[in-house]
Amino acid sequence: GAVVSQHPSRVICKSGTSVKIECRSLDFQATTMFWYRQFPKQSLMLMATSNEGSKATYEQGVEKDKFLINHASLTLSTLTVTSAHPEDSSFYICSAEKTGIFEAFFGQGTRLTVV
Amino acid sequence: EDQVTQSPEALRLQEGESSSLNCSYTVSGLRGLFWYRQDPGKGPEFLFTLYSAGEEKEKERLKATLTKKESFLHITAPKPEDSATYLCAVRHSSASKIIFGSGTRLSIRP
Repeated sequence: GAVVSQHPSRVICKSGTSVKIECRSLDFQATTMFWYRQFPKQSLMLMATSNEGSKATYEQGVEKDKFLINHASLTLSTLTVTSAHPEDSSFYICSAEKTGIFEAFFGQGTRLTVV
Repeated sequence: EDQVTQSPEALRLQEGESSSLNCSYTVSGLRGLFWYRQDPGKGPEFLFTLYSAGEEKEKERLKATLTKKESFLHITAPKPEDSATYLCAVRHSSASKIIFGSGTRLSIRP
């Protein structure tokens, strides 16, 4: 199998606080992980690509100081939304690519609500 | 510029009524074309990867095909539980990122 676990599935936080989202590949190693944001009834928007042991590559328009990505091991990547504001409320999804196989498997997503 | 276009945007079918979803793409050097299914409030579920023109893959009521310019997801005798958004994505040979289409929202009426 290829299971990707994302945690938490839902989080509500106050404006100005930071939130960390974890993405784990449970039964395979993932050299590359991706972070997406999805607005209602829209497709996935790639935010950044992270490679184990190196800095993430952010897409144009994504603030790297606001969305901190760490990929410290072959099975774990984290996304921290710093100083969250209501406009950061969204559905965030991670995916992990099996090392050597160009197929990406997705986590369950995290619904972030900033109040 | 790499681009993925899916059509139709939405499709409503009667249970048992077969149809096809289209994914047109322009990419320089295709490394893979992917189909995913996404249910509301969930992450996409992997369905198929197609690598070269002429390739076909099947899973239950779904069959994916690939040409040099497009891919089709054929659904045969669909059931209400097949209702979901179907996403197409491509990856080109010199980039690590995957580009998604906007999806087709499929609704199957009992």
